[in-house]
Parts: sequence; structure tokens; C-alpha cells
Amino acid sequence: GENVEQHPSTLSVQEGDSAVIKCTYSDSASNYFPWYKQELGKGPQLIIDIRSNVGEKKDQRIAVTLNKTAKHFSLHITETQPEDSAVYFCAAGAGSYQLTFGKGTKLSVIP
Amino acid sequence: EAGVAQSPRYKIIEKRQSVAFWCNPISGHATLYWYQQILGQGPKLLIQFQNNGVVDDSQLPKDRFSAERLKGVDSTLKIQPAKLEDSAVYLCASSYLGTSQGGYTFGSGTRLTVV
Repeated sequence: GENVEQHPSTLSVQEGDSAVIKCTYSDSASNYFPWYKQELGKGPQLIIDIRSNVGEKKDQRIAVTLNKTAKHFSLHITETQPEDSAVYFCAAGAGSYQLTFGKGTKLSVIP
Repeated sequence: EAGVAQSPRYKIIEKRQSVAFWCNPISGHATLYWYQQILGQGPKLLIQFQNNGVVDDSQLPKDRFSAERLKGVDSTLKIQPAKLEDSAVYLCASSYLGTSQGGYTFGSGTRLTVV
């Protein structure tokens, strides 16, 4: 089955700096890669996703890049704000099968 | 649209007791998932339903866990008997397109503590 590795497990940045979280996956059949943000006491919320026919996608301060050859994808957050502090999960999936999640990155934005 | 509803929000039980969780997905979402999230880890799939049929329950500990989705809408997840290692947040998610391509909408989860 699919295996998703996520790094780093914790990340602290100063407000206004950029944050980068990286994930690798094992199953070459995976073709859908979403990112979720989870705040304390809440369920994960989809923030951005990318499909295998696209190399990069951007939504305001958030961007995701995908390298299918190397089987890795990354989340980039620019101009970080305190409200970006949360746990971020990457995931990978294919077709009608379920998503496999990474172990999460706890992002702390220091004012 | 209303989100995925889960209840209860919190539950504390003693080991060997039983517990049940309830989920009401977003209206019209055919696919429903139950995930287990142990503290400090990512969500791990327990079971996937398409309408009222099971698509994948390969990671469900069937000796103690059971789930059903009657009439293809609400779902319940039961643990009997509970073990200490079952302490986790149980997340329900639903998807309109019935595939991972559409992304999930998660509920807020039920935090289970087994003492």
C-alpha cells in the first residue's frame, strides 16, 4: 500500500517568513495530493490540492509543488501569520481509493 | 452547506467497556470514511463506505470494531470491548465524488479516552 513520509515534524518561523513542508510517497499510482490544516480540537480542513498532471498550484500565500519523477511534493506558505499556526498534513491517493496521510507538521509562527 | 456532524465530542470509558460514535455526512455525499487519529500522528483509515456498502475495511480491527451505514446516510462506529490503545480521535469524513479526487470534508471528531 501507499506510504507517505512528511518532514519536518515541527517547524517554527518568524512572522512574515516562509515555511516549507515536504512529503514523499511510495505508490507511483497515486495521482491526487491534498494538504490539510488541523487546528486544535477541530477536524482537518482541506487548504489546497494538486493532481498529477500539474506541477505547481498557487492560492494566495499558499503553493504546492509536485515532482512525480522523484515522488515528492511540498507545501509553501509565504508571509506567514500567527493564524497559520496549526498542524499540517499531506496525503496521497489514487482513483476511488482512500487517502493515506503523513504524520503531520506542527507549524508555529512566532509574532 | 452544513458540515459533517459527529457526536459525542468527548467520551471517557473504562477498558473492556463498549462505546459508539455517530456521524452524519454532508447531504448528497455518497462516500463516508472513518479515520482513527492517535495523538501526534496522521489519520489512519478504518473503513470506507460507498452509499451503504463497504468499499474497504482491511484496517478495521474486526474482533472489536464494527461499523454500519444504514440507508446510505448516517453511520455508526462501535468498539466492544475497548482497549487502552483505542484512545484516539475518531474522525468521520465524507466525499461527494466518491473518490479521493474530490477531497474530503472532515467532522470535528470524537475524542475517546480509555482508562
